[in-house]
This record gives sequence, C-alpha cells and structure tokens, in this order.
Amino acid sequence: DAMVIQNPRYQVTQFGKPVTLSCSQTLNHNVMYWYQQKSSQAPKLLFHYYDKDFNNEADTPDNFQSRRPNTSFCFLDIRSPGLGDAAMYLCATSLGGNSPYEQYFGPGTRLTVT
Amino acid sequence: DAKTTQPTSMDCAEGRAANLPCNHSTISGNEYVYWYRQIHSQGPQYIIHGLKNNETNEMASLIITEDRKSSTLILPHATLRDTAVYYCIVRLGNQFYFGTGTSLTVIP
Repeated sequence: DAMVIQNPRYQVTQFGKPVTLSCSQTLNHNVMYWYQQKSSQAPKLLFHYYDKDFNNEADTPDNFQSRRPNTSFCFLDIRSPGLGDAAMYLCATSLGGNSPYEQYFGPGTRLTVT
Repeated sequence: DAKTTQPTSMDCAEGRAANLPCNHSTISGNEYVYWYRQIHSQGPQYIIHGLKNNETNEMASLIITEDRKSSTLILPHATLRDTAVYYCIVRLGNQFYFGTGTSLTVIP
C-alpha cells in the first residue's frame, strides 16, 4: 500500500545533541510537510517542500532544518535539541498545486529530550 | 493567528448524529475547509473537505454556510470508534493550518 513512513517511531536524544528524523513516501507526492505536535495541542506547521522549493514558516526556530534529497525522502534536523523540543513530529504529503488534494500523514515520531 | 476556532470538547451518544462546528470568519474566496481527526498517538486522518457546496462521503457530511464563515462536520451515526480529536483546517495554497480541535467523546 502507498503510504507515508516515519522512522524511528520513538527517538530519545540528549539535550544539545543533534538529531535527525526521517520520512519517506511511496505516493510520489510533490509536497512534503513537517509538523510539531506538543502534548494536548494541535499540530503546528514547521515547513514544507514543494518539490525542491523549501518554504519555512515565519515562527519556526532556526534550530529546525530540513532536507529533501529526492521526491521520496524528507529529513528533519534539530541542531541543538532543548527540553522544549520534546514532541510528536508528524510528516505529511500532498499532491500540491491548486487542486483540493488532501494531506496524508505518517504515524509520527515521538521525540524525548533528556 | 488562528484561522479556525472550535469548541474544546463535545459529547455525543452512540448512534446519534455528532455535529461539530467550526468558525473560519477570515477565510478567503479560494481557501478550502478540511476536516481531519486524530486518535490518540496516531497521525491525523483525512475526513472530508469543501469550498462552497455541502459535501458528503462515506464518513461524514460537511455543511458550509453561504457566507463561508463557518462550517459543521456531521457524523451521522456516531460509534465508539469515532472518539477522537477533530480538527477543522483552512488550506492556504499548499499550507494547511490546524485549528485547536474539538475532543469528541462518544458515550455508550
């Protein structure tokens, strides 16, 4: 089945130690998104790629970076994780463009910072 | 700034219709309204979307007011498995902005 895959499902990192979360898709979608979801809050859009074009949200901290080496993969890099970065990180994809296509979400990676 | 506002929580009796409201008073003419739901610790699941007209699919119905400033998601016969957080989302271009969500509890 076509899907959005996130690895790992659970990640523990130390305060200040760089960490990378990965997302892959078999849907061949143009757009890939990263969201941060803290406990009991709604998902918050960090950034998205439309093909190779990177679109950062204005309030996304510089500590968060992303890479998309090809259509299928997208990575979220947290350069110096703080305790406040502990959250669920959700990857999503969509076809993009002006058509009303929905987003498809992965299961998320839960990040713990110790 | 929040683009959508929703009640924090709602209850619904099993087998009855669940009506979840959403306000999106600043929506512009070409922005779609989407609804997703999220069961604890899972990724959000798409339910339905619309622009102007009411929409229906196998999961739900979406009623959009004529001025498009609000909408209502209707689950016609709620089951216990419909207990989840329901998000109303306005799509701006390729960006989807989640509202605060409504936690729906279906009561046996």
